[in-house]
Amino acid sequence: GAGVSQSPSNKVTEKGKDVELRCDPISGHTALYWYRQSLGQGLEFLIYFQGNSAPDKSGLPSDRFSAERTGGSVSTLTIQRTQQEDSAVYLCASSLGVASTDTQYFGPGTRLTVL
Amino acid sequence: GNSVTQMEGPVTLSEEAFLTINCTYTATGYPSLFWYVQYPGEGLQLLLKATKADDKGSNKGFEATYRKETTSFHLEKGSVQVSDSAVYFCALSDRGSTGNQFYFGTGTSLTVIP
Repeated sequence: GAGVSQSPSNKVTEKGKDVELRCDPISGHTALYWYRQSLGQGLEFLIYFQGNSAPDKSGLPSDRFSAERTGGSVSTLTIQRTQQEDSAVYLCASSLGVASTDTQYFGPGTRLTVL
Repeated sequence: GNSVTQMEGPVTLSEEAFLTINCTYTATGYPSLFWYVQYPGEGLQLLLKATKADDKGSNKGFEATYRKETTSFHLEKGSVQVSDSAVYFCALSDRGSTGNQFYFGTGTSLTVIP
């Protein structure tokens, strides 16, 4: 079946502009996660959605970052007034549910470059 | 709190050498443990997992055993190949107050030379 998809695969923007990154999780997966991977770094957790519950936003680095998930499926991560330090690969993952045994399945990522 | 610490890289090995990448964790509950792999230019893929103490996860010749007594989940392979060159991430999953949380290590880069 289809895996997690993300778009665009690459995004180049100018400092100060807003960007939107999209994630389509695997059908039927109730949990969706956003991470950021900077060059040579590990994964930085950003935000987590589980079903219709309020999202866990504890990882968002600033109020310029926000995310929403419509209809329990597609998610959009928005970065306002982008800064050069926002340049990174943004990864989306989904999992079936809330069991700690559930595997996360990752999308290919969106590479964001802020000039 | 929960955290994962894994061996610093980069690691360079000759083909057919034995591989160990150390991973230790701290968890407040009863986590599941995972190894993910990221091949050059690709996304993260699950390599193996173990969901309870003493379980052994295995895949593609890689193995890791969930050791509760030492809070470890070291990745091993008896004979590495050039195609194993990638970045390896250890991770744990634990059910927190807001749902299922994942915690990743910083990754270990492996290069296998012919």
